[in-house]
Amino acid sequence: AQKITQTQPGMFVQEKEAVTLDCTYDTSDQSYGLFWYKQPSSGEMIFLIYQGSYDEQNATEGRYSLNFQKARKSANLVISASQLGDSAMYFCAMSHQYNFNKFYFGSGTKLNVKP
Amino acid sequence: DTAVSQTPKYLVTQMGNDKSIKCEQNLGHDTMYWYKQDSKKFLKIMFSYNNKELIINETVPNRFSPKSPDKAHLNLHINSLELGDSAVYFCASSQLAGGDEQYFGPGTRLTVT
Repeated sequence: AQKITQTQPGMFVQEKEAVTLDCTYDTSDQSYGLFWYKQPSSGEMIFLIYQGSYDEQNATEGRYSLNFQKARKSANLVISASQLGDSAMYFCAMSHQYNFNKFYFGSGTKLNVKP
Repeated sequence: DTAVSQTPKYLVTQMGNDKSIKCEQNLGHDTMYWYKQDSKKFLKIMFSYNNKELIINETVPNRFSPKSPDKAHLNLHINSLELGDSAVYFCASSQLAGGDEQYFGPGTRLTVT
């Protein structure tokens, strides 16, 4: 069963605008972590942001913020003031913190930032 | 001062061969992982090691075997390579097992002909 769902295979955004990448997840665990990773065309995987299921505030890291809505089981990534270098694949992922250690990735969203 | 390194970066080999991919991390992390990314970019975890103990073993063929000589290394051995093994393989590490950010290596693109 799909644990992480990213429904947007591809997205376009104008440079300097904000963009939201969607992610929903499925779990019956109470304790889990949610992650976003960026994969540029060069292929490396870059960690962006982490949200724990018990964290009350949404995580933020620079221009990245995670819009965590626990009841809806969504963990959308918001990128503010998009830059050309943000063009990449973005993966949402989830881990079960105390359930020995399954780590699931979504299928990814390809973001293209237009000048 | 690369955090997670993999060698080789590219590997082209023929069906039936046996090959290894090496991974090293200098972050002092306790857990290391191997992922396979297929041509559709889908990432799937294959193995993880925590303090030299295998704690995840997804349903991968037993032709794949992880070997960890110490906490900083997790090598991937593949026997009798098949066409379907062609993919990018990523090594990663994290301080904790599961609920922690993972740092990835640059990936190894394996092509089986």
